[in-house]
Amino acid sequence: GESVGLHLPTLSVQEGDNSIINCAYSNSASDYFIWYKQESGKGPQFIIDIRSNMDKRQGQRVTVLLNKTVKHLSLQIAATQPGDSAVYFCAEILNFGNEKLTFGTGTRLTIIP
Amino acid sequence: DAGVIQSPRHEVTEMGQEVTLRCKPISGHDYLFWYRQTMMRGLELLIYFNNNVPIDDSGMPEDRFSAKMPNASFSTLKIQPSEPRDSAVYFCASSSSSGRRNEQFFGPGTRLTVL
Repeated sequence: GESVGLHLPTLSVQEGDNSIINCAYSNSASDYFIWYKQESGKGPQFIIDIRSNMDKRQGQRVTVLLNKTVKHLSLQIAATQPGDSAVYFCAEILNFGNEKLTFGTGTRLTIIP
Repeated sequence: DAGVIQSPRHEVTEMGQEVTLRCKPISGHDYLFWYRQTMMRGLELLIYFNNNVPIDDSGMPEDRFSAKMPNASFSTLKIQPSEPRDSAVYFCASSSSSGRRNEQFFGPGTRLTVL
């Protein structure tokens, strides 16, 4: 029979433009959040993290915003490049000392040359 | 640094057969994780070890699945007997308690197909 898979949200962005990927997390008690990038045929790769006592953190071309009121996380990628095309996952940890990550379903980002 | 090494990269087997997936974590890392990724369920944590000791195996689907870590440089995930619904990509990841916290380094994965 036909299998029903997860419907990955998709986002297409023109090269050089900025992109915003959103994530709604599930547990209001989660203490720590991470964004991962997964390119085709590879394992996920750490991008940036943020603790629950922060609302913004910046890295190289990436910024993560955390809104605990609505349990929302976003990843902003500035000046997108073809190499940014991938599936992006947010992950949450209940307690900072806990190693157990719970991953979201992911968003597929495609950069249009 | 070679990163996390997994073998085999691809495995095709028949239902009922035993399957063993292997992982070599990054040298010096004290945490090791096994994940499964499918279209139906996304990326799920199966089990993780700290200093070779299993800490949380609540994600292991059922008794057909078992994982071992006999030493700091090697872990196996075994499925016996395998079933078609076990078809997935299995990732091993490792991290260090002395590095950036919770930064897990993933291997390339093993794509398992059970016919």
